[in-house]
Amino acid sequence: QSALTQPASVSASPGQSITISCTGISTNLSNSQYVSWYQQHPGKAPKVIISDVTDRPSGVSTRFSGSKSGNTASLTISVLQADDEAYYYCSSYTSTSTLGFGGGTKLTVL
Amino acid sequence: EVQLLESGGGLVQPGGSLKLSCAASGFTFSDYAMTWVRQAPGKGLEWVSGISANTWGTYYADFVRGRFTISRDNSENTLSLQLNSLTVDDTAIYYCARGRPRSLSISSWGQGTLVTVSS
Repeated sequence: QSALTQPASVSASPGQSITISCTGISTNLSNSQYVSWYQQHPGKAPKVIISDVTDRPSGVSTRFSGSKSGNTASLTISVLQADDEAYYYCSSYTSTSTLGFGGGTKLTVL
Repeated sequence: EVQLLESGGGLVQPGGSLKLSCAASGFTFSDYAMTWVRQAPGKGLEWVSGISANTWGTYYADFVRGRFTISRDNSENTLSLQLNSLTVDDTAIYYCARGRPRSLSISSWGQGTLVTVSS
């Protein structure tokens, strides 16, 4: 069982926006500043798109944004593009020096 | 540019052992915690193990149960994962990932190496 829970799938049309939630189960996100989001295209390695809840690494599109409220973190992708179709995972680094992952969300761009 | 190049994957029989390596370049290796994450075929990401920048702290997921050992050589910029007592459930792509100076929170990923456990 994953430490964090995400919806299994989301879908939207190009140009629209979507939000993927990530809620702590065995991890309390309320106390974590180390919430990250990763994008993974099929057959490829994951890529960091959001770190420390809201920070975008250099080179990541501004269409990706992160936030957190209480025990739930969220990833928002605006102005959806075809290439955004991928799996998205959240993770949180815990006070016990472990790393928990969400089960992943498949984004389909219709 | 951060580069993480894994090696050592392959086919191994149940009960066997394998040693994975990760060659790091493009950053000061000794300044960062490092971690291993795996992904079974068709499944999600699963944290396996992590090690602090100075090697003093090593951390493992519960399912490891003493079977795996993480280590690093800061003079050679190399991260390793010794896998023992392997089962079919350990079949996965194993990714090497760079953490942060003081946390395992991932900042860069390698391309992964496939471990297949089968008789």
